[in-house]
Amino acid sequence: QITMKESGPTLVRPTQTLTLTCTFSGFSLSTSAVGVGWFRQPPGKALEWLALIFWDDDKRYRPSLESRLTITKDTSKNQVVLTMTNMDPADTATYYCAHRDHEVTVRFWGQGTPVTVSS
Amino acid sequence: DIQMTQSPSSVSASVGDRVTITCRASQGINTWLAWYQQKPGRAPKLLIFGASNLESGVPSRFSGSGSGTDFTLTVNSLQPEDFATYYCQQTNIFPYTFGQGTKLEIK
Repeated sequence: QITMKESGPTLVRPTQTLTLTCTFSGFSLSTSAVGVGWFRQPPGKALEWLALIFWDDDKRYRPSLESRLTITKDTSKNQVVLTMTNMDPADTATYYCAHRDHEVTVRFWGQGTPVTVSS
Repeated sequence: DIQMTQSPSSVSASVGDRVTITCRASQGINTWLAWYQQKPGRAPKLLIFGASNLESGVPSRFSGSGSGTDFTLTVNSLQPEDFATYYCQQTNIFPYTFGQGTKLEIK
């Protein structure tokens, strides 16, 4: 059974760096074709993909946010970390991590973690 | 980026009705299309993958079709638990993109 869980601060000040951790179980991020992605959803708005890291450490980022995002993995800890620099109130959202399988299907999602950017 | 356009943005229906939601991609995505259901305060739930494959455990009243640029999600015989927001998502190329969502409300 695959489970995903996000953790991190609920409140971030403008210009600060956000660090979110995704802790997962039920699979290994060293398995071929597997990936873990980050998504977000501002209040009342649609889902948005942010970044994804593959089993082989290949990384993909949302182009409009690429300069602010870094995704890394710690296979031994079953964790994926997303950092986003220079946070702005427009980044207020619920952030989700999710498992992407070899069929390119994003099937298993965490419960989400709300992040508010405010001074 | 591939733009995903859903219609309608919202729809009102009654229990027992049949509802169809459409999703159009700005360029061809073969069948790299998923449908999700999301309820308030909850994570998205996968319903359909590969445009037409029903996810395990999802009721058979849900079905998906399409390929290329035009896709549909159909819900037959609506049940009270189906009232939610639905999103399509393309995974053909990065960046992955979602439709703007369709809110299915009780009439």
